[in-house]
Amino acid sequence: KNEVEQSPQNLTAQEGEFITINCSYSVGISALHWLQQHPGGGIVSLFMLSSGKKKHGRLIATINIQEKHSSLHITASHPRDSAVYICAVSGNDMRFGAGTRLTVKP
Amino acid sequence: EAEVAQSPRYKITEKSQAVAFWCDPISGHATLYWYRQILGQGPELLVQFQDESVVDDSQLPKDRFSAERLKGVDSTLKIQPAELGDSAMYLCASSLGKPGTQYFGPGTRLTVL
Repeated sequence: KNEVEQSPQNLTAQEGEFITINCSYSVGISALHWLQQHPGGGIVSLFMLSSGKKKHGRLIATINIQEKHSSLHITASHPRDSAVYICAVSGNDMRFGAGTRLTVKP
Repeated sequence: EAEVAQSPRYKITEKSQAVAFWCDPISGHATLYWYRQILGQGPELLVQFQDESVVDDSQLPKDRFSAERLKGVDSTLKIQPAELGDSAMYLCASSLGKPGTQYFGPGTRLTVL
């Protein structure tokens, strides 16, 4: 069993829909990261959080330390949000989930 | 805005050949990471540097892979000889310290024929 599990693996949405991607982890962490990877391969760090909730534009990330669970929400989704979203946890080192491939159709 | 630079962006090679990838982290970032990402999977750490010292290379296949960061700034990852299974995206990241936000480069996509 992977230490970082993401769901769903693939997600297709219509433009404007509210999107949720989930991440569960089974190890102790100092922080949880949400990353965005576009088809070209480059990875952008969206959020680093260790408690509560963070918001940046249309993106919201939440974490529940007790339940070892985090969610990434995208409000009013847009085709340019299409990418792979990766959850990662950092402690002694960084462990990555397999990613959620999001496709937003116009 | 400061970025992590990597080159080349794409590399096609034949098996048994040697390949090398270069990474220049964000200025001032002491920690540098090399990751390998196989299609459809998350990145896997190959090696981590703190300044010029290796702090974790437990997942680096040392029979064919080597990495160095001689002056504690830029870094080179080498594969010799390359094998078909080495085809992947090789990502470099840097951070001010550990733990901390890692900033990723654009990656080098390696195809071994």
